[in-house]
This record gives sequence, C-alpha cells and structure tokens, in this order.
Amino acid sequence: AQTVTQSQPEMSVQEAETVTLSCTYDTSESDYYLFWYKQPPSRQMILVIRQEAYKQQNATENRFSVNFQKAAKSFSLKISDSQLGDAAMYFCAYRSAPLGTYKYIFGTGTRLKVLA
Amino acid sequence: NAGVTQTPKFQVLKTGQSMTLQCAQDMNHNSMYWYRQDPGMGLRLIYYSASEGTTDKGEVPNGYNVSRLNKREFSLRLESAAPSQTSVYFCASRDSDRVNSPLHFGNGTRLTVT
Repeated sequence: AQTVTQSQPEMSVQEAETVTLSCTYDTSESDYYLFWYKQPPSRQMILVIRQEAYKQQNATENRFSVNFQKAAKSFSLKISDSQLGDAAMYFCAYRSAPLGTYKYIFGTGTRLKVLA
Repeated sequence: NAGVTQTPKFQVLKTGQSMTLQCAQDMNHNSMYWYRQDPGMGLRLIYYSASEGTTDKGEVPNGYNVSRLNKREFSLRLESAAPSQTSVYFCASRDSDRVNSPLHFGNGTRLTVT
C-alpha cells in the first residue's frame, strides 16, 4: 500500500525568505500524481500545485515550486518570497494514475509559520 | 460559483444522537468523497462515491453511512454519535473523467460529540 510521510510537523520562515517543506512517499507504481494542498486558518483546503510522475520537469506556480525526485520518492514544496498569507497547514497527497482510481493518500501535514 | 457546499459548519451532539452532514457540488463532478481530519493524522477517507449510484468504504467507515442522492449530493450520516467521532469533516469532489484532476473541497464541518 502507498504511504505519504511529512516528517516536519512544524516549520518557520521569515517573511520574504524561502522555505522548503518535505514529503516522501512509498509506492511500487510508476505512474501517479502528487499534490500539495494548503489549509489556512479558515479551514478551506486549497490546491497549491500538482505534479504528474511521468513529467520530469518540476511544476511551478508563481512563488511555489516543487522538487520532484522520482527515484528517491521525494516531492518537496519550495515557497519563495514567503508572505504572511502563506501561514497554513500544508498537506502532501498521492493518487494513482489510472482512470478509475479514486483514493487519495494524504500526509499528516506541516504547519508553516511566517514570521514578520 | 459555489463549488462544494457543506452544511452545517459547526455541530455539537450528545453521545448517541444522530445527524446527517450534507454536501452538494455544482461542478458536475462524478466522484465525491467524505474525509475526516484529526490532529496529527492528516485526512482519512471515510467513504467515497465513484459515480452516481455507487458508494464504497474508505479507510475509516465504521460508525458512518452515506447516500449518493444524485450526482450533486453526497450525505454522511452518523446513526449513534460517539466521542471518537469528534473531528472536522470534509466533503470533496472530483472530475474523474480527467486523469489529473484534483480534489475540490468544501469548507468543512467541525463536529463535537460530548
């Protein structure tokens, strides 16, 4: 069975600095999708970024980018120029690729604090 | 453009009471999900519905029932609430016809069982 591990329960970053959140996963599959979700204090789960395993190029969305290392089964999230609004819980998630696959597996989350 | 709507936002129950959490989506998605979120445990899947008319158990289904009323609505019922069901519950939906489509979440229901 697949697992997702976020080994950092909490991280802090100074405003305008860069921070990297770690995520590792375990799978025997070759094709899958990975996601980062953000959960601010409002409780809403917001998609930050997604990565298809078959793509070698790392996904980027504005200040958010990933470092996807398929062989190492690592999927870290880098937040550049951190802003106060980035303070939130961040969840890494895995989903198998084939159509008809419905289950997502979530990590336990990393709480990010942004210091002014 | 409502997305996924959950009601209620907060609920307090006494042990043994029953209630239904409602969820509706307006994105014409086939798949819908119910998760619970507990501190230090991430999100755990309770039930999901791959399409209208089908439901399947997830990781933690005990104590819950679901109904996929139509394509839009997917409700979660607690028949006899227990303190262990104190949690934040999220409904989500997804366009399962697109392989890379993400989950879209509702705003969650905070449930306390005393």
